[in-house]
Parts: sequence; structure tokens; C-alpha cells
Amino acid sequence: GQSLEQPSEVTAVEGAIVQINCTYQTSGFYGLSWYQQHDGGAPTFLSYNALDGLEETGRFSSFLSRSDSYGYLLLQELQMKDSASYFCAVRQGGSGGYQKVTFGTGTKLQVIP
Amino acid sequence: KAGVTQTPRYLIKTRGQQVTLSCSPISGHRSVSWYQQTPGQGLQFLFEYFSETQRNKGNFPGRFSGRQFSNSRSEMNVSTLELGDSALYLCASSTRQDVNTEAFFGQGTRLTVV
Repeated sequence: GQSLEQPSEVTAVEGAIVQINCTYQTSGFYGLSWYQQHDGGAPTFLSYNALDGLEETGRFSSFLSRSDSYGYLLLQELQMKDSASYFCAVRQGGSGGYQKVTFGTGTKLQVIP
Repeated sequence: KAGVTQTPRYLIKTRGQQVTLSCSPISGHRSVSWYQQTPGQGLQFLFEYFSETQRNKGNFPGRFSGRQFSNSRSEMNVSTLELGDSALYLCASSTRQDVNTEAFFGQGTRLTVV
């Protein structure tokens, strides 16, 4: 089976740094992705980690530790527009030779002034 | 460059009917994947197509099917609709399959089954 765990809600102050963790239990792991979704909007791809380490893209960074089955999304210099839901997703091997993508339940980030 | 286009945006169907949703990917994108999003179950992966072939699939019953055409446009079909099929159906396109390259999502089709 598979499961992903991430906090349901996080509140942070504008200008601060916030880290959203994601732990997973999967077999046939390929990589971990992060998506942002504003209320009423479509998900937006943020990052993908297949190997251990930190990937940085502007104010957003994503980290993966395959040995710990753990990753996180780091948002720096928070802005009000960063208020959204953030999903981690694992790509893994499935039955019949198929791969599949499993999403976490999402972390609702609220940025306050 | 046009984004991912999903039609229709909203749909109301009766239990037992069938429905077909359409997704036009970004020009040049050959991979299209489909997702179901509900408040209770969150985002769930349905299937993924590349070059007209289903490459990956999630854990949905056979009532959910799809196909991809030679121009990379994709359709998703749900037969014998159930109330629990009410959801936002999202498609995403990307240039490659089997890896999480940047995937671009459409605005989704909001399906309501009554």
C-alpha cells in the first residue's frame, strides 16, 4: 500500500519562512513532487525530486531524503499570495507494470500580515 | 501559448448516465494525465496517456476509461454514473511521461451527479 502524510494546516507571517513536511510509505518509489493550488484554481507544479538533496527555485525549495521516506517544501520570504493548499505527490510503480501518482491530502497555508 | 483546455467546465448528469470529458493539451505536449478531486478523497490519479497509449493508471473501477488521439487530445469517459462520481476532474499535460516534469493543469470539469 501507500500513504502520504502532511500537516493539514499551517499559519505563518508574511516575510517569514515556512516548511511543509511530507512523509510517505510506498513501494517502487520514483520521486516526490509538490503542487500549489489556490482556492477555486487548478494545481500548479512547483518541483520534483528524484534524488536526495535540495532543489531550489526562487523562493521555493524542495528537499528529499529517500532513506528517510521524507521530503519538505520550504517557502521563503512569504507573501500573501502564497496562501494556498500545497500537495506532495509520489510517483511509484503500481500493479501490472503501471506507474501511478499518489497525492497527499494537502496542507492549507495561511499567510497573515 | 494556449494552456490546457478542458470542456465542458460544468456538467450535471443523472445517476446511471455516462459522460465524456475532453482535454486539449498544450501544443507539443504528448503526455496527458487525469485526476479526480473531491473534498473527501482529495486528489486522486486516474490514468496517464502518452502517444495514444495508456501508460499508467490509478485504482479506479473499469467504469472510468480514457483515450488519447493522434493530436494528443484526450477524452475521459465515466459510465453508469454514481453519486460519488461528483467531483472536479482535472487533466494535466507535459512534454514527457513517466517522470514528473512540469505538468500544466487545466481548470477542470466540475461534474455533479444527481
